Amino acid sequence: AQSVTQLGSHVSVSEGALVLLRCNYSSSVPPYLFWYVQYPNQGLQLLLKYTSAATLVKGINGFEAEFKKSETSFHLTKPSAHMSDAAEYFCAVSLNQGGKLIFGQGTELSVKP
Amino acid sequence: AAGVIQSPRHLIKEKRETATLKCYPIPRHDTVYWYQQGPGQDPQFLISFYEKMQSDKGSIPDRFSAQQFSDYHSELNMSSLELGDSALYFCASSLDAPGERISNTFGSGTRLTVV
Repeated sequence: AQSVTQLGSHVSVSEGALVLLRCNYSSSVPPYLFWYVQYPNQGLQLLLKYTSAATLVKGINGFEAEFKKSETSFHLTKPSAHMSDAAEYFCAVSLNQGGKLIFGQGTELSVKP
Repeated sequence: AAGVIQSPRHLIKEKRETATLKCYPIPRHDTVYWYQQGPGQDPQFLISFYEKMQSDKGSIPDRFSAQQFSDYHSELNMSSLELGDSALYFCASSLDAPGERISNTFGSGTRLTVV
């Protein structure tokens, strides 16, 4: 069975500060991991994905995530937050790259001016 | 580039009524997924189809059914609607073929409100 836990349902940072959103996974097989972003009343947009090719994954909008097997983590980071980054972020796990997704509970990111 | 198209965008139904949601996947994608996202919740997998056959089933109520048609579009049918069915329903499509793998790409969703 697979599962994802996102630590912190709400994270608040100042504009220009580091963004760190935490995600830990559980999987009996090598996982495929994803980060999606959801703006209010909109669909889910893929930020980045880990497919075992490289442990440090770069995504859109300056986000990146590092797969750490020893820590079963896939935390999302961005060096400098922008107001437009305010949204809900979901970490997800799957058995394969095109498979069904198991989502974490989501983390709402607020960015203060 | 073509995206996943869902219709309608918004739907208001009364309790015990029936609703049908439609999804048109990205051309060439071989798998369609349906997810339900309740207010303030994470998306929950309902059901999926691979090449028009049901491939997996999640937490989908017996009152719901779905199918994928010959043109690859999919419909989610919901009967005897309850207040708790009010949610955002997403469709996603993907491709998992040798040499070409594309992750779940989501539509904008259908917001169903049951009153």
